Amino acid sequence: DSGVTQTPKHLITATGQRVTLRCSPRSGDLSVYWYQQSLDQGLQFLIQYYNGEERAKGNILERFSAQQFPDLHSELNLSSLELGDSALYFCASSVAVGATNEKLFFGSGTQLSVL
Amino acid sequence: DAKTTQPNSMESNEEEPVHLPCNHSTISGTDYIHWYRQLPSQGPEYVIHGLTSNVNNRMASLAIAEDRKSSTLILHRATLRDAAVYYCILRDVRGAQKLVFGQGTRLTINP
Repeated sequence: DSGVTQTPKHLITATGQRVTLRCSPRSGDLSVYWYQQSLDQGLQFLIQYYNGEERAKGNILERFSAQQFPDLHSELNLSSLELGDSALYFCASSVAVGATNEKLFFGSGTQLSVL
Repeated sequence: DAKTTQPNSMESNEEEPVHLPCNHSTISGTDYIHWYRQLPSQGPEYVIHGLTSNVNNRMASLAIAEDRKSSTLILHRATLRDAAVYYCILRDVRGAQKLVFGQGTRLTINP
């Protein structure tokens, strides 16, 4: 158990809908990262937050947004869903930001299926 | 981010050592070498990391070439539980702290 909690584990929805994925980082971790894993693209970095502030952005679509709340949990919002958004979405956390030797701890993911 | 090259797949037998290679010829002096693995139906998990010297922990050993252009993850005695995709990642102290995953090496362990 990594200590990172993601909910829900599975989500089935229809095209055009909007969903929210939730992540609770490990106790004490200030950084949260979101990744998308699809069969053809592998693990793609989406976005990173540190203590409520956005720190890095990857290949995140404009239809997607995220935020980190004062209690440090994070939510990834996906809107106007398309079939191609079906993927595993992982959240990871780390203690801080700025140390290249620090480890990331990943949750078990949310499997999103868009029908 | 500097790139890494790994074989797509490797196969080994249970209780034998496994050497997983990674080439990173464009590595910079500030890049740390990280290894993560992803077991089936799970999120990635940290395995080991290093900068210049060889490193050992309870999971594995990391051997880093003297010129740092390649490294090898060593599993001393593979078990069936070690079957996973192994990712070799370079992390730059100057850049953002995200991990950029490549395609990794899918390791199969035969009983």
